[in-house]
Amino acid sequence: DIQMTQSPSSLSASVGDRVTITCRASQIINNYLNWYQQKPGKAPNLLIYGASTLQSGVPSRFSGSGSGTAFTLAISSLQPEDFATYYCQQTYTTPFSFGQGTKLEIK
Amino acid sequence: QVQLVQSGAEVKKPGASVKVSCKASGHTLTTFYVHWVRQAPGQGLEWLGMTFPTSGNSAYSRKFQGRITIIRDTSASTLYMELSGLKSEDTAVYYCVREVFPISNWTDWRPFDYWGQGTLVTVSS
Repeated sequence: DIQMTQSPSSLSASVGDRVTITCRASQIINNYLNWYQQKPGKAPNLLIYGASTLQSGVPSRFSGSGSGTAFTLAISSLQPEDFATYYCQQTYTTPFSFGQGTKLEIK
Repeated sequence: QVQLVQSGAEVKKPGASVKVSCKASGHTLTTFYVHWVRQAPGQGLEWLGMTFPTSGNSAYSRKFQGRITIIRDTSASTLYMELSGLKSEDTAVYYCVREVFPISNWTDWRPFDYWGQGTLVTVSS
């Protein structure tokens, strides 16, 4: 099975900051990588698919990059509603594994 | 309006089975892949399995093979996920979730879009 590792596991930042979250796969997954945001008590929300394609309705301050085994989610200017937990997911092969999550907190 | 509505919370004893339903509205189960994902309290997301839209067959994570069964009732627009041999570690919120794209313009990036509200399954003696 493919292991997905996110770093950092938690991150403190301020409104207006630019932040990046990294996701690494244990083997090459090309660009079969999706990013989700989850707020407490809610189901995850799709942000980016195919490593870099922004889902409809997602603000343009979110962006994704990478291919192969290393991927990045960037948020260009943090807004109050962005404080949440973020997950990457590979869909290269089953089981479609997720990273352990990155909790983004207000500094 | 696309919706996936799941059955209510369950409390089960170790060794028992649980069956969670997921009723679709606003779209047909024969045109979209639907997956099951769970989340233990305070933990991350774990993929359990998926149902193929055309055949109605399902594929499962090897971790749950032998314990999980997903079946589809097309006439009722409902999927059922049954997990047997429950252990305390199976305590989690179970979600059904639909992919973004229908099979007519499907992409193997498989982004997950519409999620059910989640069903809390508690396994406790």
